[in-house]
Amino acid sequence: EIVMTQSPATLSVSPGERATLSCRASQIVNTNLAWYRLKPGQVPRLLIYGASSRATGIPARFSGSGSGTEFTLTISSLQSEDFAVYYCQQYNNWPLTFGGGTKVEIK
Amino acid sequence: EVQLVESGGGLVQPGRSLRLSCAASGFTFDDYAMHWVRQAPGKGLEWVSGITWNSATIGYADSVKGRFTISRDNTKNSLYLQMNSLRAEDTALYYCAKDGTAVLDYHDYWGQGTLVTVSS
Repeated sequence: EIVMTQSPATLSVSPGERATLSCRASQIVNTNLAWYRLKPGQVPRLLIYGASSRATGIPARFSGSGSGTEFTLTISSLQSEDFAVYYCQQYNNWPLTFGGGTKVEIK
Repeated sequence: EVQLVESGGGLVQPGRSLRLSCAASGFTFDDYAMHWVRQAPGKGLEWVSGITWNSATIGYADSVKGRFTISRDNTKNSLYLQMNSLRAEDTALYYCAKDGTAVLDYHDYWGQGTLVTVSS
């Protein structure tokens, strides 16, 4: 199975600052890569699919890039609701696999 | 509005079975693939199983292959997960998730989840 590795495990950022999250695949997944945000007590929310397409209702401060094995999620100016755990997921091969997550916390 | 409502979770002894259900509304159910994803306490997300719109293609995580069976009834707008030979490591919040397409891709809507606890 394809192993997804996210870094860093924890990112400390001040509100209004920029956050950059990384995701690496152990094999080529083309652009079949999604990003999700998960807040405690809430349902996971799709942010990005196809490596760079924003999902419905997702604000422009979220952007995704990359292809092949290296991917990045950038949040241009962190809002209070953005302090959460972020997961990447590949859907190029079965089984579908998630990364271990990056926790974005308030600095 | 897309709604996914899971049910069927609970406390079960190791080795026993449980069947989860997911009632879908707010979209054309038989146009989309569906999935089950779980999150164990204090852990990350784990994809469990997925099924295409017409049930022609089904996939499982290695951790549940041979024990879990996914199915759907498009006449009832429902998704199911039959879980047999349950283990302590199957303890998790199980989410029903809608795919963004008819085949097995990303998950654009999620339910609130149903908690499965495997313990003696």
